[in-house]
Amino acid sequence: IAGITQAPTSQILAAGRRMTLRCTQDMRHNAMYWYRQDLGLGLRLIHYSNTAGTTGKGEVPDGYSVSRANTDDFPLTLASAVPSQTSVYFCASSDRSYGTGRTSTDTQYFGPGTRLTVL
Amino acid sequence: RKEVEQDPGPFNVPEGATVAFNCTYSNSASQSFFWYRQDCRKEPKLLMSVYSSGNEDGRFTAQLNRASQYISLLIRDSKLSDSATYLCVVNPPGGGYNKLIFGAGTRLAVHP
Repeated sequence: IAGITQAPTSQILAAGRRMTLRCTQDMRHNAMYWYRQDLGLGLRLIHYSNTAGTTGKGEVPDGYSVSRANTDDFPLTLASAVPSQTSVYFCASSDRSYGTGRTSTDTQYFGPGTRLTVL
Repeated sequence: RKEVEQDPGPFNVPEGATVAFNCTYSNSASQSFFWYRQDCRKEPKLLMSVYSSGNEDGRFTAQLNRASQYISLLIRDSKLSDSATYLCVVNPPGGGYNKLIFGAGTRLAVHP
């Protein structure tokens, strides 16, 4: 593994089904994030985790849950998928939990994304 | 008003042209600024950070105007490989985490 991986690459899901998107990083970054990207909108943060064992809500958390049992993994779960959750989902990680200006360790590195369609 | 606003484009330019994008942000207390590049159906990748004094990386120049709350990206001698969507990203204070606000992106198409 090099960087961040996500699985699956894409998925078509029936409404009402439960789905977990997987994210794994091997950079030992303490902070991880889940974003969704929709046409015409910027990436929007769903949930974040500053360190293993802690999570927080982002801009659009409703309908999603996360867990952070260890440093490397940060799964995103849709308990009961709805069509409005059709989107491209990106996982990201950064060395620092808080932005401190010019340091490169603030940089967020993104996984390749999961394209999810809910019918 | 959106926190970060960009012209969606597309900007269609010939190879060798100079092209500039602007981006405005609403939170005057924002501390860090970045340009990310996103290729079609790929993940965003950091292109460059934007410093108060302005900074240059090869053909790319980024500038910050705090008084007017905008940042810019200038690309000189455009290459076909520069075709992508460029995301303006701002790091406002607060939130309790390394908060990034992304613009919707400006699409650049460089043609032969």
